[in-house]
Amino acid sequence: QQQVKQSPQSLIVQKGGISIINCAYENTAFDYFPWYQQFPGKGPALLIAIRPDVSEKKEGRFTISFNKSAKQFSLHIMDSQPGDSATYFCAAKFNQFYFGTGTSLTVIP
Amino acid sequence: KAGVTQTPRYLIKTRGQQVTLSCSPISGHRSVSWYQQTPGQGLQFLFEYFSETQRNKGNFPGRFSGRQFSNSRSEMNVSTLELGDSALYLCASRPQSTNEKLFFGSGTQLSVL
Repeated sequence: QQQVKQSPQSLIVQKGGISIINCAYENTAFDYFPWYQQFPGKGPALLIAIRPDVSEKKEGRFTISFNKSAKQFSLHIMDSQPGDSATYFCAAKFNQFYFGTGTSLTVIP
Repeated sequence: KAGVTQTPRYLIKTRGQQVTLSCSPISGHRSVSWYQQTPGQGLQFLFEYFSETQRNKGNFPGRFSGRQFSNSRSEMNVSTLELGDSALYLCASRPQSTNEKLFFGSGTQLSVL
């Protein structure tokens, strides 16, 4: 069964808008929550990550919000740009990595 | 420093055949893990090797196997291929199993006809 549930499957945002991707998990043993970005023809690359003892982490235009009690975390992309168009995967780690099903983001100029 | 290298980039096989995929990790990385990526399923963990020993294994049938050599290069083998094995197979390396950042290769796209 899917250990990490990700939504939406696809997302279209206007340039300058905010992109929000959500993930939920059940296993409270997860201790690390990364987001990976994948461009066509390339492997995923680490974008940003958070640990469960932190509620928010920001790196440039990218922010992770983490809600431990709700077992949910989300990626916010501020001022979305066409170059952000890619597939985004959330993940959670406990011994091994469990990935979400991915969100295809398209940013329209 | 060269990134993770996967060969071949594309493969076409027929049902029942077997296939071997290769992964060369970043120099100095001793942990190599393999993932299957399919549309709608995301990345599914296959197995991880560290210092030639399998550390973890995902929920895949025994037709999927792997190994790691003393130079940390890894191979993945799939026997008796099925149509459902068509996928992008990704290899990721990291310095140690305790490091949390995965460095992915560009993958091998396997098509089973």
